[in-house]
Formats: sequence, structure tokens, C-alpha cells
Amino acid sequence: GAGVSQSPSNKVTEKGKDVELRCDPISGHTALYWYRQSLGQGLEFLIYFQGNSAPDKSGLPSDRFSAERTGGSVSTLTIQRTQQEDSAVYLCASSERLGPDTQYFGPGTRLTVL
Amino acid sequence: AQSVTQLGSHVSVSEGALVLLRCNYSSSVPPYLFWYVQYPNQGLQLLLKYTSAATLVKGINGFEAEFKKSETSFHLTKPSAHMSDAAEYFCAVSSNFNKFYFGSGTKLNVKP
Repeated sequence: GAGVSQSPSNKVTEKGKDVELRCDPISGHTALYWYRQSLGQGLEFLIYFQGNSAPDKSGLPSDRFSAERTGGSVSTLTIQRTQQEDSAVYLCASSERLGPDTQYFGPGTRLTVL
Repeated sequence: AQSVTQLGSHVSVSEGALVLLRCNYSSSVPPYLFWYVQYPNQGLQLLLKYTSAATLVKGINGFEAEFKKSETSFHLTKPSAHMSDAAEYFCAVSSNFNKFYFGSGTKLNVKP
């Protein structure tokens, strides 16, 4: 079946603009995760969803970042007033449920802020 | 707080040689541990995971890892490297599956 998809695959934006990154999880997966991978660094955990709920937003780097999930499916990560340090690959993953189930990762969105 | 340290950002082995990628973790509670692999131009995929069952965990493609609580380690090994193993490997820890902490990754190069 279809895996996790993310769009756009690449996004170049100017400093100060807002961007929206989209994640389509595997159908039926109730848990969804967002990560950020900066050049030469590991993955930084941003936020998780159980259904449409994100109980803990403390991993988001700043209040310019927000995320939502609707219908227990698609999730959107929004970055307002982008800064150059936001440049990274943003990865989304989903799993059947919150727990030890395998996370399936999407291909990522490469964000470049000029 | 939890964290993961991967010793060696780059590891190079000859084809057929032992692969050893090191991972040490820090966790105040019993951890769950994972190894992921990222092949060039591909997404991350799970190699194996430790979730408090057997301490020696076998994964895909002949990889295995051993959880050693006394050493706070979860090193990844493969007896004989193959060219197709060239990739970047990430170790991760979680205590409650709500947050996952990844290491900075180790790039494995396999020489012919």
C-alpha cells in the first residue's frame, strides 16, 4: 500500500515568509510524528499526534511553529516568519498506534530559507 | 532527560568485515531503543528495536544489536559487511513513545 507522503518535496522561501508543510500518513495510522533534520545533525523530535490531539507541544522550537491534524489523517506543520535557521529537512512519520509500533517515515520536505 | 550518543560520525569497513556502530544512551527510566537506516536518497526505515524483551535483538539485513544496561549501550553489529550496507545509521531512545531522541548518525562506508 501507499507509504507516508509529504509535500512539497522542496520549498525555497524568503526570510519572514510563512510556509506550510503537509504530511499524509499511512491510512489507518493513528499516531503521527514530526521531526527536523538539520545538516550534519540527527533528527530533532518536534511533536506527535494521537488522533487529532497533540498533548505535548514542548518540542516545537519556537512559537513560530505550529502543527495540526484533521480527520485523524493529514497533518500540517506551519512555520511563521521563517528564519534562516529554520532551513532543514522536515520529516513526518506515522505508526498504527502510539507505542512500540514501527514508525514509517516519509521522504521529507527540504526547506531552504534565503 | 534522555539522549543518545553515537561514537564516530563516519565508519569505514572493508566488504566482508565486521560492522560495529556504537550507541550509548542516557535515560532515567527503562528505555526503548531503536536503530534506523537511511539509504542514499531514501527515507528512514527501522532496522530493529528493543522493547524490554530479549536483550539481543535481530533486525533486517543481518543486523543485530545487544542492549547492555550496565554499559548503557545498544551497539549495532553485522558479522560481514556488504556493499549495499553503505548508508547512514541512527540510534534512537524513547521512554514512553511520546518523544524520541535520535543520535547524530553514523555514515557507514563499505570498501570493496
